Amino acid sequence: QLQLQESGPGLVKPSETLSLTCTVSGASITSSGYFWGWIRQPPGKGLEWIGTIYYSGSTYYSPSLKSRVTISVDTSNNQFSLKLSSVAATDTAVYYCASSDGNYWGAFDVWGRGTVVTVSS
Amino acid sequence: DIQMTQSPSSVSASVGDRVTITCRASQGISTWLAWYQRKPGKAPKLLIYAASTLRSGVPSRFSGSGSGTDFTLTISSLQPEDFATYYCQQASAFPRTFGQGTKLDIK
Repeated sequence: QLQLQESGPGLVKPSETLSLTCTVSGASITSSGYFWGWIRQPPGKGLEWIGTIYYSGSTYYSPSLKSRVTISVDTSNNQFSLKLSSVAATDTAVYYCASSDGNYWGAFDVWGRGTVVTVSS
Repeated sequence: DIQMTQSPSSVSASVGDRVTITCRASQGISTWLAWYQRKPGKAPKLLIYAASTLRSGVPSRFSGSGSGTDFTLTISSLQPEDFATYYCQQASAFPRTFGQGTKLDIK
């Protein structure tokens, strides 16, 4: 059974880079058809899609974050990661990693528990 | 970008009620639509994909319909565990976009 677990610092200073890792268990991160993504939820707001990376390596990012975000895969550790540069208080949110085996019409069917990231000095 | 607009933003209902939530896309997305349930402190849970396909294990009181720009999520007989926030998400194009959410609480 596919499971995801986010990890990373819970506190990041303004202007620094937020780095999160999602560890995948129950499937290979290079499995055909799979895609992996990051979604966040700021306090009191709704869900915001950050970006998606496909098993092929293709990446897609939110236009509002594209200049600051990088999603990449670490095949040796079966992980994928999120880097968000030049963070500000507005980047404070619960960050989720999520995935799909491609059989759910683009929906994310497996989610991590989420990790709280606060941007503050 | 495709904008997703949910209505209502909140609804109060009782156990046993039938509830319908609407999601409208700013342009046609065929049936590339998913519905998620989110409870406080928990990750979102996929309920429905392809607009009307119930994910395995999701109770049959949940149903989805629609195509093009207008979609609905219906809960036929509310149970106590259904009180949560519901989100639609389009998967027709990048960037993926979510509706703003509909909070369903107890009357």
